[in-house]
Amino acid sequence: QKEVEQNSGPLSVPEGAIASLNCTYSDRGSQSFFWYRQYSGKSPELIMSIYSNGDKEDGRFTAQLNKASQYVSLLIRDSQPSDSATYLCAVNPGTGNQFYFGTGTSLTVIP
Amino acid sequence: EAQVTQNPRYLITVTGKKLTVTCSQNMNHEYMSWYRQDPGLGLRQIYYSMNVEVTDKGDVPEGYKVSRKEKRNFPLILESPSPNQTSLYFCASSLFVGTATYNEQFFGPGTRLTVL
Repeated sequence: QKEVEQNSGPLSVPEGAIASLNCTYSDRGSQSFFWYRQYSGKSPELIMSIYSNGDKEDGRFTAQLNKASQYVSLLIRDSQPSDSATYLCAVNPGTGNQFYFGTGTSLTVIP
Repeated sequence: EAQVTQNPRYLITVTGKKLTVTCSQNMNHEYMSWYRQDPGLGLRQIYYSMNVEVTDKGDVPEGYKVSRKEKRNFPLILESPSPNQTSLYFCASSLFVGTATYNEQFFGPGTRLTVL
């Protein structure tokens, strides 16, 4: 079983819509969760970090964490074509010092 | 400007020829790490370092070496590269890891390595 799993997509949404990206993780003791955006050929760029159950909002982005169900999600409101990228979910289990990444979800925002 | 730098950005080499990819950060971060990214496999951690002289294996350490003699530098060494090490490599750093906060990682620009 993979540590972190994401739907690879591709996910397509029209401009202005809400994009919803999901991620599940296997280590119930995980404490730190991250969403990165990666454009083709570029390095991952941190969008959000979340450490507690519930929602965390930053501009058009909302991260949601549910530790009981072991999932973390990212909502992108008012999606723009510039949001078209691969979104990576990352988890630090907390019992060690490693990070585990999902394989990413490819998002396309259609003008 | 706070950043993680890597050199070289692109490298083509031949099997067995030792190479080093450098990584440096100017944020006084304690934690540094190397990843490789391959299609369909995502980002996989090779080695990480909690601080100077403290390094540990990630998920895919075979064929790689690292050292952390200074806080800001964390070079990745391939002593005898093979074609299966052809990949996109990223260095990353974090303030510290092991607490529940402040462990966001920031990535360098990447090094695309081809081993013929």
